[in-house]
Amino acid sequence: EAQVTQNPRYLITVTGKKLTVTCSQNMNHEYMSWYRQDPGLGLRQIYYSMNVEVTDKGDVPEGYKVSRKEKRNFPLILESPSPNQTSLYFCASSPKPRGTSGRRKTQYFGPGTRLLVL
Amino acid sequence: GNSVTQMEGPVTLSEEAFLTINCTYTATGYPSLFWYVQYPGEGLQLLLKATKADDKGSNKGFEATYRKETTSFHLEKGSVQVSDSAVYFCALSVNIKTSYDKVIFGPGTSLSVIP
Repeated sequence: EAQVTQNPRYLITVTGKKLTVTCSQNMNHEYMSWYRQDPGLGLRQIYYSMNVEVTDKGDVPEGYKVSRKEKRNFPLILESPSPNQTSLYFCASSPKPRGTSGRRKTQYFGPGTRLLVL
Repeated sequence: GNSVTQMEGPVTLSEEAFLTINCTYTATGYPSLFWYVQYPGEGLQLLLKATKADDKGSNKGFEATYRKETTSFHLEKGSVQVSDSAVYFCALSVNIKTSYDKVIFGPGTSLSVIP
């Protein structure tokens, strides 16, 4: 089954304790992104990756790191979590557009990781 | 800049009622437009999309038409069901660099359908 998986689904941690949220896709997609979802703000992009070893900042990258060592995996790292990073996090993947037909390809989202930082 | 505005709700409707969720956007260039749906406890799923002016996207009884003159992409359904209860996100994609289109989401509209 084609899917994006995230782990863990729920996480409670304390300020300053490093954590990693994993994301994996089995669709051989080039593009992957991390978003956070907060009430009234919709989804905001944290980081994105266009391919292995190619990553770039989104709209709210402060306090986060990512890596893309393999095509299928795109972990999100919080080196020193703070309470303002309490949120619902989504990983998404999409294939690289071929030519101009169809413009942006559909993004496929993981089920989400709910993080609480105390 | 690029942005999406939509009614936040929550919207509560009775089963079989008509649904409209308004969405307007500002964008440079010629964005593609999307509606995503998020069911409770799940990630977002693409509901429908339109890639150019006057295109109509449709899926599962939902429709939305890309209106360039009013910069709008309102979501409609003629008769909602309890199973349509979810959060609906309007989104647009714009090209920000070679081979990469950035997706910008609205704040989401929560819909509850009661029997």
